[in-house]
Amino acid sequence: EAGVAQSPRYKIIEKRQSVAFWCNPISGHATLYWYQQILGQGPKLLIQFQNNGVVDDSQLPKDRFSAERLKGVDSTLKIQPAKLEDSAVYLCASSLDLDRVPDTQYFGPGTRLTVL
Amino acid sequence: GENVEQHPSTLSVQEGDSAVIKCTYSDSASNYFPWYKQELGKRPQLIIDIRSNVGEKKDQRIAVTLNKTAKHFSLHITETQPEDSAVYFCAPVYNFNKFYFGSGTKLNVKP
Repeated sequence: EAGVAQSPRYKIIEKRQSVAFWCNPISGHATLYWYQQILGQGPKLLIQFQNNGVVDDSQLPKDRFSAERLKGVDSTLKIQPAKLEDSAVYLCASSLDLDRVPDTQYFGPGTRLTVL
Repeated sequence: GENVEQHPSTLSVQEGDSAVIKCTYSDSASNYFPWYKQELGKRPQLIIDIRSNVGEKKDQRIAVTLNKTAKHFSLHITETQPEDSAVYFCAPVYNFNKFYFGSGTKLNVKP
């Protein structure tokens, strides 16, 4: 079974630039999560999708971050404009079905973002 | 949201000793209690989990115990090995699969 795919794996940008990350979940997984993991901290949930609908985006800084999952499969997370404090690893995870409470989530390899 | 705390933040043990990491949470509605292991530069991986209707679960050298009344659950690793060295996160789940991760415990197993 293929795992969660993410790209790019690394990205370096200057502050005020924009950046986008892509995630392809495990085939058949309805629930998709984006996390931000700052060095030395635990992952922080940014947004959670069930199919193409948003379940929770309460911790997403909506003035600069946006995410979509238009067809209910892969997803894109965008930051515009980036700030120095956005430097982190962005992890995507997926789980089979939100209604199967609780459900194991599987993580992708992450995208390491450095903002200079 | 959920308030999750892990203790200790760092733990150093000798190979073969046991290690215990405790996670406290605030939301009594939490119903699923996983532990993740994250090696340096790698993704978090689920190592063991427990549901709210069970008090203890064991998988070879790893066990998790749950005290719902006191709102804490613990990870127990016996006969530690150098490859157990990593950061461990608890992530109690409540309300539609909302995972709130703790701040992590860095375990160092000395050969």
